[in-house]
Amino acid sequence: QVTLKESGPVLVKPTETLTLTCTVSGFSLTNARMGVSWIRQPPGKALEWLAHIFSNDEKSYSTSLRSRLSISKDTSKSQVVLTMTNMDPVDTATYYCARTYHSSGYMDDYWGQGTLVTVSS
Amino acid sequence: DIQMTQSPSSLSASVGDRVTITCRASQSVSTYLNWYQQKPGKAPNLLIYAASSLQSGVPSRFSGSGSGTDFTLTISSLQPEDFATYYCQQSYTIRPFGQGTKVEIE
Repeated sequence: QVTLKESGPVLVKPTETLTLTCTVSGFSLTNARMGVSWIRQPPGKALEWLAHIFSNDEKSYSTSLRSRLSISKDTSKSQVVLTMTNMDPVDTATYYCARTYHSSGYMDDYWGQGTLVTVSS
Repeated sequence: DIQMTQSPSSLSASVGDRVTITCRASQSVSTYLNWYQQKPGKAPNLLIYAASSLQSGVPSRFSGSGSGTDFTLTISSLQPEDFATYYCQQSYTIRPFGQGTKVEIE
């Protein structure tokens, strides 16, 4: 059974750095075809893809947020970490991690429940 | 960057209706296109990948078509559980989503 669970702060202050952890089970981060992505959704708005990482350490980032994002993995802990610097109130959103399967493109086939992060002083 | 534009932004339909949602890419994405369904308060669910391949467990009333820049998601006979918001996503490397299409009860 594939599961993903996001964890991290529920509240961050403007200019702070957000660190989110995705803990996965039911698949291995060493599988060549499987990786983890981060996606966010501001309240009442559309989904926004942020980044992904694969077993060979292939990383990809949203063009508009590339300068603020960093994604990494700890295979031994089955965790993927996303950091986002210089947080702003517009970054208030539910942040999801998802398993990404690479075949005929990339697809996010299993998702965590999401974690709401509020940016406020 | 490739931009994904969905139309309409919302639609009203009745149970049993055939529903079509369109997604247009700002440049060709070949068949690198996914469709997701999202219900309120829930994570999205993958429906279609590679433009026309049905994800395991997804009902056959959902279908996808298209290539290049123009894609469609069709629900052949709308069911009560299909009222939700649908998103397209370019599925190669950098993967933007469309702005979503909300399907509401008429």
